[in-house]
Amino acid sequence: GEDVEQSLFLSVREGDSSVINCTYTDSSSTYLYWYKQEPGAGLQLLTYIFSNMDMKQDQRLTVLLNKKDKHLSLRIADTQTGDSAIYFCAEKRGGYQKVTFGIGTKLQVIP
Amino acid sequence: DAGVIQSPRHEVTEMGQEVTLRCKPISGHNSLFWYRQTMMRGLELLIYFNNNVPIDDSGMPEDRFSAKMPNASFSTLKIQPSEPRDSAVYFCASIFPGPGNNEQFFGPGTRLTVL
Repeated sequence: GEDVEQSLFLSVREGDSSVINCTYTDSSSTYLYWYKQEPGAGLQLLTYIFSNMDMKQDQRLTVLLNKKDKHLSLRIADTQTGDSAIYFCAEKRGGYQKVTFGIGTKLQVIP
Repeated sequence: DAGVIQSPRHEVTEMGQEVTLRCKPISGHNSLFWYRQTMMRGLELLIYFNNNVPIDDSGMPEDRFSAKMPNASFSTLKIQPSEPRDSAVYFCASIFPGPGNNEQFFGPGTRLTVL
């Protein structure tokens, strides 16, 4: 079955880079996502990568996908205090509506 | 559009009472999802609908939980009778039809506390 795993907690200093890692088990995954949840709010899509891509960059965000190892990472450059949130890794098969989420990694940014 | 709307935002009830959570998806979205979030188990998919029809309810914990979607603009999640272990944040999400990345748009959630 599908399974998405990620570490629970990451602490970084403001200005440093953050790297949040995720592993998944479904080799049929077509889309891999990173969602962000701020306190007291729902999840919001941060970025996604199609499974035939290795990397996607969007301003301070870099997503790396190693399909062979089923490993996904999110790098946030120049991390700011406003980046403090829970980050969810998720995957989906093409043609299916169901998305499988990881448990979420809480990012704490220390000023 | 106002986004996905959920009500109430907070609900405190006593064990044994019936609880009804409500969701209004974004207009034009044809799939709707109910999730439960807890510290211990993270985000769990309870059920999802496609064109108002339940597609996968395998995540519904037990018979005390039921969900309906009588039309494209409204869904309910009911817990009867409620128990303290049902305390969690319940999210509703919807997606736009068609191929592609199918971003899920989440509501703000309902924080349920069962005493």
